Amino acid sequence: AQSVSQHNHHVILSEAASLEWGCNYSYGGTVNLFWYVQYPGQHLQLLLKYFSGDPLVKGIKGFEAEFIKSKFSFNLRKPSVQWSDTAEYFCAVNPGYSSASKIIFGSGTRLSIRP
Amino acid sequence: SAVISQKPSRDICQRGTSLTIQCQVDSQVTMMFWYRQQPGQSLTLIATANQGSEATYESGFVIDKFPISRPNLTFSTLTVSNMSPEDSSIYLCSARGTPRESSYNEQFFGPGTRLTVL
Repeated sequence: AQSVSQHNHHVILSEAASLEWGCNYSYGGTVNLFWYVQYPGQHLQLLLKYFSGDPLVKGIKGFEAEFIKSKFSFNLRKPSVQWSDTAEYFCAVNPGYSSASKIIFGSGTRLSIRP
Repeated sequence: SAVISQKPSRDICQRGTSLTIQCQVDSQVTMMFWYRQQPGQSLTLIATANQGSEATYESGFVIDKFPISRPNLTFSTLTVSNMSPEDSSIYLCSARGTPRESSYNEQFFGPGTRLTVL
């Protein structure tokens, strides 16, 4: 069965620190990849996405992610975090073999920022 | 993009009762989904709501417990039946756009319904 693994469950960073998290998936074919963010008390929002083309994608709020097909990974990065980045981050994969295929979510990574 | 609203936003229910959650999308969408997010956990897909046919349920979820309706391309309901405290969770409606839209493979989420069962 397809699965999505996020390696960090809870990360605490100081403001201005850099962020890089791993996300791996277990599907060998074409995939669409996503990072979603859920700020405290708010609903899920799309942070960034990869469908095809340049494997380095840029999203909102200075986030970017790199798709490495050979490693089945889609790692999230941000060079300098801010207090407002406090949120839960979910990696998600949509196997692209069917327009009806569902999105599978990772377990999430909670980011806390030290002021 | 699609804007999704849900009603109610939260509810506290007694064991053994049922609650129906409504999901409204501001545009016609091809696919609608219902997820559950238990405290501190990720999203678990309950079912895909199919317009004009029965919903497709994921392993561990059954129609008798979570009946779903989808009468048209913008609306769906999820009923949580015969509730127990283990059903306490956030229930999320989600939608994917029409194939002609560039955002087709994106999935949008509603604000969720926070359910507490006593």
